[in-house]
Amino acid sequence: DGGITQSPKYLFRKEGQNVTLSCEQNLNHDAMYWYRQDPGQGLRLIYYSQIVNDFQKGDIAEGYSVSREKKESFPLTVTSAQKNPTAFYLCASATLTGVETQYFGPGTRLLVL
Amino acid sequence: AQSVTQLDSHVSVSEGTPVLLRCNYSSSYSPSLFWYVQHPNKGLQLLLKYTSAATLVKGINGFEAEFKKSETSFHLTKPSAHMSDAAEYFCVVILSGNTGKLIFGQGTTLQVKP
Repeated sequence: DGGITQSPKYLFRKEGQNVTLSCEQNLNHDAMYWYRQDPGQGLRLIYYSQIVNDFQKGDIAEGYSVSREKKESFPLTVTSAQKNPTAFYLCASATLTGVETQYFGPGTRLLVL
Repeated sequence: AQSVTQLDSHVSVSEGTPVLLRCNYSSSYSPSLFWYVQHPNKGLQLLLKYTSAATLVKGINGFEAEFKKSETSFHLTKPSAHMSDAAEYFCVVILSGNTGKLIFGQGTTLQVKP
């Protein structure tokens, strides 16, 4: 089965703690994206990557970091610098020739203790 | 700058009646527009897309949308609502270039009453 997996489904963060959200795809897509979703708002782009070992900031990158060491994987770290991390995080992927059609994972809900 | 505005945050219809979810866009050139759907606590799924071909676009599950340049609108419609249509719907525009940067509207929650 091809698709995108995100783990965990729920994640709890303590004050001052960094946490990492996993995103894996087996669609052989070059492009991968991280979005943040807050209630009553649309999705906002955090980071994106179109090639291994390269990534670009989106609209709300402050307090987040990413890596792209493998084509299949694009983990997102929510650092302690992110003061309002409680949100639903969605990962997506796409081919470079079809970036307008993005395939989304099921999401990770991050809560602050 | 490109943007989309969804005119209703919440729409409620009865099962079997028509659905209309409204979206206006702002763009300095002919945009590519999309509708995505999100069922509760799930990821998003592409419903349909407009990329400057036919102005009436048909999507999955009986949905369609019409691109109207004169009105800068891209409203989503369905002739007859089904209970399974209850979800959140996002109107989306893509930035120019090949980065895949999507700009999402605020979302419209569709409630379908029996």
